[in-house]
Amino acid sequence: EADIYQTPRYLVIGTGKKITLECSQTMGHDKMYWYQQDPGMELHLIHYSYGVNSTEKGDLSSESTVSRIRTEHFPLTLESARPSHTSQYLCASSEFGTGVHEQYFGPGTRLTVT
Amino acid sequence: DQQVKQNSPSLSVQEGRISILNCDYTNSMFDYFLWYKKYPAEGPTFLISISSIKDKNEDGRFTVFLNKSAKHLSLHIVPSQPGDSAVYFCAASGHTDKLIFGTGTRLQVFP
Repeated sequence: EADIYQTPRYLVIGTGKKITLECSQTMGHDKMYWYQQDPGMELHLIHYSYGVNSTEKGDLSSESTVSRIRTEHFPLTLESARPSHTSQYLCASSEFGTGVHEQYFGPGTRLTVT
Repeated sequence: DQQVKQNSPSLSVQEGRISILNCDYTNSMFDYFLWYKKYPAEGPTFLISISSIKDKNEDGRFTVFLNKSAKHLSLHIVPSQPGDSAVYFCAASGHTDKLIFGTGTRLQVFP
């Protein structure tokens, strides 16, 4: 079954640790996205990619970095976690094409930095 | 400056009645609008969308209405069911494929 996966689902980690949030999709989508969402707030785009070796920063400034070495894989890394990074991180993907707007989301990773 | 606004943070509706969720936008360049549903601890699920060339799109119990002159769209759910209880996000996109989201409306459907 085609889907989009995120691991871990929940992560509690201490300040200063390096973390990588994993995102994989089996839908063959070229476009992938990372959003950050705090409770009661809108989703903010922090990174996106239109294909292998393509990465761009989104509208919300983030200290995280991303890579796209394989079409199906789009991991997000925080080199040194801080309490301000506590949030929910959502990965999404979509087809490449004119007029394609629908994005499909993974289950999210709830990150807590203590 | 929020380009997509959902001014009602919550809505409570009785089972079987109609739920109406509203969304306003400010950017006249938006030409495609989407509604997503989100349960706690899950990612948003795409529900229904509408292009700016239409004023209505229907899919089963869900209908989205678009009023371009008022820069307003609404999602109607009828009849509402307890399983519809979730947070609903309105999103818009323009010439790029980036989605701009509202802050969501929490719908509670009670028996």
